[in-house]
Amino acid sequence: KQEVTQIPAALSVPEGENLVLNCSFTDSAIYNLQWFRQDPGKGLTSLLLIQSSQREQTSGRLNASLDKSSGRSTLYIAASQPGDSATYLCAVRRIDNQGGKLIFGQGTELSVKP
Amino acid sequence: DGGITQSPKYLFRKEGQNVTLSCEQNLNHDAMYWYRQDPGQGLRLIYYSQIVNDFQKGDIAEGYSVSREKKESFPLTVTSAQKNPTAFYLCASRRQGDAYEQYFGPGTRLTVT
Repeated sequence: KQEVTQIPAALSVPEGENLVLNCSFTDSAIYNLQWFRQDPGKGLTSLLLIQSSQREQTSGRLNASLDKSSGRSTLYIAASQPGDSATYLCAVRRIDNQGGKLIFGQGTELSVKP
Repeated sequence: DGGITQSPKYLFRKEGQNVTLSCEQNLNHDAMYWYRQDPGQGLRLIYYSQIVNDFQKGDIAEGYSVSREKKESFPLTVTSAQKNPTAFYLCASRRQGDAYEQYFGPGTRLTVT
């Protein structure tokens, strides 16, 4: 059974700091991994999608890496801003998953202090 | 604008009543999903549909029902059989194919008292 874990559950950093969010999964047989952002009381916004054949993806100040063999992904946020404060969720899609459904971690709640 | 809409944003019901949550998308996506989110937990899949008139149970389907009569619409009914219906419900959609990501709607917060 695929399990996805995100540590830490919460993180507080001063503005301007570079930071890394971690995501680990127990089964390396995945199609892809997706990182999302969720603001309080809102839906999920897709940030980055990494296919199983890729090592990393970049979008602006965000960089996501994937190491399938070790079951790990990281989301790197450069020069953090108060507007980055949100909960960040990672989710994997398994190879034997015909429906495209995602298995989610519990999220890391990020607070960036001015 | 293309996207996914969910209505209403907030919904209040008395225990024992069925309630239907709406999800509509104009992205021309084939697959649609319903997830449930509880405080401090990740999302859990309730039902999903890959094509019109077909749907599959997810991990926590008991006490829920769905229909997929149109490509654009995937309503979720929370029945009185669902023991803990109070939660935040999220609808998502995706193009068919392995390379595509899921897009989410704004969610509906259901409170049952």
